[in-house]
Amino acid sequence: KAGVTQTPRYLIKTRGQQVTLSCSPISGHRSVSWYQQTPGQGLQFLFEYFSETQRNKGNFPGRFSGRQFSNSRSEMNVSTLELGDSALYLCASSLGLAGVGEETQYFGPGTRLLVL
Amino acid sequence: QQPVQSPQAVILREGEDAVINCSSSKALYSVHWYRQKHGEAPVFLMILLKGGEQKGHEKISASFNEKKQQSSLYLTASQLSYSGTYFCGAQFSGGYNKLIFGAGTRLAVHP
Repeated sequence: KAGVTQTPRYLIKTRGQQVTLSCSPISGHRSVSWYQQTPGQGLQFLFEYFSETQRNKGNFPGRFSGRQFSNSRSEMNVSTLELGDSALYLCASSLGLAGVGEETQYFGPGTRLLVL
Repeated sequence: QQPVQSPQAVILREGEDAVINCSSSKALYSVHWYRQKHGEAPVFLMILLKGGEQKGHEKISASFNEKKQQSSLYLTASQLSYSGTYFCGAQFSGGYNKLIFGAGTRLAVHP
C-alpha cells in the first residue's frame, strides 16, 4: 500500500507570496492533518480535515487555510508569506479522526518551505 | 497545553537503556509515540490509552501513569537504529480529538 505522499518536497518563496501544498493520504484514509515543524518547536498542529470538513484547528493565523477534496486529498494554502513561515510542513493521514481511540496517524515526508 | 518531554536530549552507547518521559498538566486520554530520523517522516511506534496496558514493540515499550498524567517510553539494549527524535502526541480528556505534540527528545546512540 502506498504511503502518504506530499508535493512538492521543496519550495522557495519570497515574502508576500502565497503557496499551496498538496497531500495525498493512504488509500482508504479519510482524515488528513497538517503540522508545522520548526527546530525546537516540535510538531505544531495546524488543522485536520475529515470527509471534506475541517474538524479541528490549531492556533495559527487565518493566512493558513486548507481544504479536502472528495477523494480525501488535501491542500494547504499559506497567503502573504512571512519569514517565520519557513518550516517543514507535514501531513498525516488516518482512517478515522486522529486521536480517537487507537486511531493511528501516518506521516508523509513533508514539504520543506523556505521563505526569503 | 503542549506536553513536556524530558530529557531534551540523550546520548547512549549501544546496549545502554534510556527512558523518555512525556508529562501533561491536563488530564490525558491517550499518548502516541513517534520516532523521526533526520530528514524523514515521523514513524508511529505505539499508542497508550488511559486505563490501558503497558505496550511493547521489540525492545521499546511504554507505560501510562494516570496519577502522574505521564507516559514513559523505555528503550532497552539500545541499537544504532534507535537514534532519532522521539515525539509524544497527547490527546486530552474532554472530547478534544486533536493530537498535541511535545517538543521532542533527541536520542543519539553511538557504537
